[in-house]
Amino acid sequence: DIQMTQSPSSLSASVGDRVTITCRASQGITNYLAWYQQKPGKVPRLLIYAASTLQSGVPSRFSGSGSGTDFTLTISSLQPEDVATYYCQKYNSAPYTFGQGTKLEIK
Amino acid sequence: EEQLVESGGGLIQPGGSLRLSCAASGFAVSGNYMTWVRQAPGKGLEWLSVIYSGGGTSYADSVKGRFTISRDNFQNTVHLQMNSLRVEDTALYYCARDLDGFDIWGQGTMVTVSS
Repeated sequence: DIQMTQSPSSLSASVGDRVTITCRASQGITNYLAWYQQKPGKVPRLLIYAASTLQSGVPSRFSGSGSGTDFTLTISSLQPEDVATYYCQKYNSAPYTFGQGTKLEIK
Repeated sequence: EEQLVESGGGLIQPGGSLRLSCAASGFAVSGNYMTWVRQAPGKGLEWLSVIYSGGGTSYADSVKGRFTISRDNFQNTVHLQMNSLRVEDTALYYCARDLDGFDIWGQGTMVTVSS
């Protein structure tokens, strides 16, 4: 099965900073990559699908890029409400594995 | 409004069985891929199972042979039959619609496996 590895596992950044989270697949998945945001005590929310397509209603400061095995989620200007854990997920075929998550905090 | 509502969670002893339900509104489960995901306390998301629009199914290795996903098109509901439950199955169980990523999630139903 394809493994999904995110880095870093946690990070702390200041409001207004540009934040980047990476996700690596152990085998190529073309662009079948989604990113989710989960705020503490809340349900996960789809942010980006097809590696770079922003889900409706998601702020434009979020963006995704990548193809094949290496992917990136970028927050262009970190806001206090972005405190959450972020997960990548492959969905080209089952099993639809998630990454282990990246916990984002405000410095 | 498109919505999912899970039910059926609870406290169950190891080795027991439980059936979770996920009622959809605003769209037809029969025309979509529907999936189950769980999250153990303080842990990350774990994908469990999918039922495809054609009726085929797939499972994570961790639940294969113990869990069964099904759907009731008339009730517009997806089920997860969980047998031979283990302590490590303790988690919040979510159902979600799989449409280019999991775009709609329920609020989850908690399953606690403990003696």
